[in-house]
Amino acid sequence: EAGVTQFPSHSVIEKGQTVTLRCDPISGHDNLYWYRRVMGKEIKFLLHFVKESKQDESGMPNNRFLAERTGGTYSTLKVQPAELEDSGVYFCASSQGRTSGRAYEQYFGPGTRLTVT
Amino acid sequence: AQSVTQLGSHVSVSEGALVLLRCNYSSSVPPYLFWYVQYPNQGLQLLLKYTSAATLVKGINGFEAEFKKSETSFHLTKPSAHMSDAAEYFCAVNYNQGGKLIFGQGTELSVKP
Repeated sequence: EAGVTQFPSHSVIEKGQTVTLRCDPISGHDNLYWYRRVMGKEIKFLLHFVKESKQDESGMPNNRFLAERTGGTYSTLKVQPAELEDSGVYFCASSQGRTSGRAYEQYFGPGTRLTVT
Repeated sequence: AQSVTQLGSHVSVSEGALVLLRCNYSSSVPPYLFWYVQYPNQGLQLLLKYTSAATLVKGINGFEAEFKKSETSFHLTKPSAHMSDAAEYFCAVNYNQGGKLIFGQGTELSVKP
């Protein structure tokens, strides 16, 4: 079974440009999460999808960040326009649906390292 | 606000020595508790989890953790460190099944030969 995959693994962009990060969760996982780790800080929650619906987007820093999960499969996180403070590692995670009894068990992708110059 | 505290951003031990990584959480409501490990250039891997069953939880690679409600702690231990244990370790909590994880700051473990 394939794990959570993320693309690209690294992205270097200039301030003001747009970047789109992609996450493919484990097949069949209803829950999809985005997290971010800014250098030197803890990993912080950004948002949570249940299938295609946003369940919790309380961690999204501002309206320059837009997340989508069309069809309840893969998800994209777009940053437009990027600022210097957006640099960091963006992690995606997925977990089974609530009825499985294992929705708490999140599996993480390798992350996308974003550098804004 | 709910939080997780990992004592020590860097821990160094000798090969064969005991590993002890500390984690405290800030709620009187017993949460789900996790330890994740991140090896260099890799993603986070689930090491072990506590979900209100046995308070002593065994994980992969010889690690274990004990949930102590009275101390709101979930410290990670391994009796004998290996060089391959060098990585960053994260403690995390979840207060409702399927919701967000709240992470500690991470502890970088170094193992000296």
